[in-house]
Amino acid sequence: AQSVTQLGSHVSVSEGALVLLRCNYSSSVPPYLFWYVQYPNQGLQLLLKYTTGATLVKGINGFEAEFKKSETSFHLTKPSAHMSDAAEYFCAVSDRDDYKLSFGAGTTVTVRA
Amino acid sequence: DGGITQSPKYLFRKEGQNVTLSCEQNLNHDAMYWYRQDPGQGLRLIYYSQIVNDFQKGDIAEGYSVSREKKESFPLTVTSAQKNPTAFYLCASSMRDGSYEQYFGPGTRLTVT
Repeated sequence: AQSVTQLGSHVSVSEGALVLLRCNYSSSVPPYLFWYVQYPNQGLQLLLKYTTGATLVKGINGFEAEFKKSETSFHLTKPSAHMSDAAEYFCAVSDRDDYKLSFGAGTTVTVRA
Repeated sequence: DGGITQSPKYLFRKEGQNVTLSCEQNLNHDAMYWYRQDPGQGLRLIYYSQIVNDFQKGDIAEGYSVSREKKESFPLTVTSAQKNPTAFYLCASSMRDGSYEQYFGPGTRLTVT
């Protein structure tokens, strides 16, 4: 099974500042990679995904992530934080022959006015 | 609108009682999943089903049971054998081909006292 590490359980940024959330996975074979967002007491919503092709992936709400095979990473960024970005973010991976997702522990983002 | 519904949103039970959580999807997805979410632990897979009348244990299946009699429905029963059932439960579904992107329901928060 895949192992997913999200560095930092809490990240605090100022409104308008860069948001950077880190995700590393354990597989030596490039998996499918996902970032989800969760608002309090709600389900998860897909932000973006990497399956194949271009390693820089753009998602909803201005987020993007870059797949770096050599670093086994899939970090999530947003150039300018908005108050509405305050939420919990989960990185998830799946092997290409497996339906199951392995999730990181999550990173809670707070945005300061 | 297509999506996943979970009911109820909040559920309260006394210790020793079995309780069933509902999950219905109209996305025509073959695969369905149940996750448990606890603070700081991400999502952990309880059970998953790839086709009707078939399901497999996930990482934390002890104390839980499921059925998959219809493609649209995947109810989860939390039995009295589950030692710590209070948690947020999330249902998800996906296609069986492609990137296995999972779509999530809004969740059910179960409190057992």
